[in-house]
Amino acid sequence: ILNVEQSPQSLHVQEGDSTNFTCSFPSSNFYALHWYRWETAKSPEALFVMTLNGDEKKKGRISATLNTKEGYSYLYIKGSQPEDSATYLCAFKAAGNKLTFGGGTRVLVKP
Amino acid sequence: DGGITQSPKYLFRKEGQNVTLSCEQNLNHDAMYWYRQDPGQGLRLIYYSQIVNDFQKGDIAEGYSVSREKKESFPLTVTSAQKNPTAFYLCASSISGAGVLNEQFFGPGTRLTVL
Repeated sequence: ILNVEQSPQSLHVQEGDSTNFTCSFPSSNFYALHWYRWETAKSPEALFVMTLNGDEKKKGRISATLNTKEGYSYLYIKGSQPEDSATYLCAFKAAGNKLTFGGGTRVLVKP
Repeated sequence: DGGITQSPKYLFRKEGQNVTLSCEQNLNHDAMYWYRQDPGQGLRLIYYSQIVNDFQKGDIAEGYSVSREKKESFPLTVTSAQKNPTAFYLCASSISGAGVLNEQFFGPGTRLTVL
């Protein structure tokens, strides 16, 4: 079983502040790194799918970077808003077709 | 509306009974997946299917069984052999299993409680 770690497990952010958190994954046999946002009482939704070392993706105030050589990805939230409160999951795809998920980072944005 | 449906949302069963969780998608996706989530943990893959009439074990398949007789349906049976069946179960699908960029689309989940 592949080891995908996310840190921190949870964090509280003041509205308007920016924050970031980490996903660590194996640096070998890399195919893709997925980020999903999972809001309470909803289904997880894809944010980004990243494949290339050095790749940067952006969607609104949320962005992500990827370092496949050292095996980590950062997710950034700029100017956090209450609607950003969710659990953010990363998932590693090696050769083969399945994703291995990290434990998630639970973000709570306080008004 | 295209999407994935899971039913029921909450399910209660007595210990020793088999129970089947439903998952249906109308996205015309080839690949479907079952995950389990326990408190404080991430999603763990139970079974996945890349095409009709074919499926593979995931990381925690023991005590579970699946079938894929139709493209749109991928039911999961939790058998009495599963030692800790109480959990939240998520079904997902993707256009295909092989594509590097294929994101997964998730259903709303079923919370199973075994009494």
